[in-house]
Amino acid sequence: RKEVEQDPGPFNVPEGATVAFNCTYSNSASQSFFWYRQDCRKEPKLLMSVYSSGNEDGRFTAQLNRASQYISLLIRDSKLSDSATYLCVVNGGGADGLTFGKGTHLIIQP
Amino acid sequence: DAGVIQSPRHEVTEMGQEVTLRCKPISGHDYLFWYRQTMMRGLELLIYFNNNVPIDDSGMPEDRFSAKMPNASFSTLKIQPSEPRDSAVYFCASSPGGDYGYTFGSGTRLTVV
Repeated sequence: RKEVEQDPGPFNVPEGATVAFNCTYSNSASQSFFWYRQDCRKEPKLLMSVYSSGNEDGRFTAQLNRASQYISLLIRDSKLSDSATYLCVVNGGGADGLTFGKGTHLIIQP
Repeated sequence: DAGVIQSPRHEVTEMGQEVTLRCKPISGHDYLFWYRQTMMRGLELLIYFNNNVPIDDSGMPEDRFSAKMPNASFSTLKIQPSEPRDSAVYFCASSPGGDYGYTFGSGTRLTVV
């Protein structure tokens, strides 16, 4: 099965700071990309899709670099409520379905 | 919509017993997925269905695991016999397909003692 690699962290970041995560994927045929957020003992929830041209949703910005096969997530003005695990997700195309990274654990400190 | 509904939320069973996990996908979603999550291995795809038909079961760990989707609104994942190493959180997710992401249920936390 194709792999998605993430730095597990934890990233300890002061409130108000900017934090960025990267994720690399091995399947060059991957067609769609997502960031999911998972809170402790909860299910993963879709945070945002990642488009080729990059996209922004409020304080969150996602970028895709197909040539280097990585995607990134930038969080500006971080809030305590941003503390969670962020999962990088790649659709391998065809019948592969979504492949999830193991997640990056983010802790925002007051 | 109530979202993806899974039951039970928690299950504690003894080794060797049969365990059945249940899932009701979002109405209109053609795809249904079963995932298992552990600290060591993260989220692993076990099997998925398209229009009630199993498409890829290569992630099912062994013959002790089986999954069915008798209709568009219900799926089961069965483990028989269960073993302690099956302890994990099992998630069901559904999707309308295309480039849409998945919506997950709340999961079933399984403990086999």
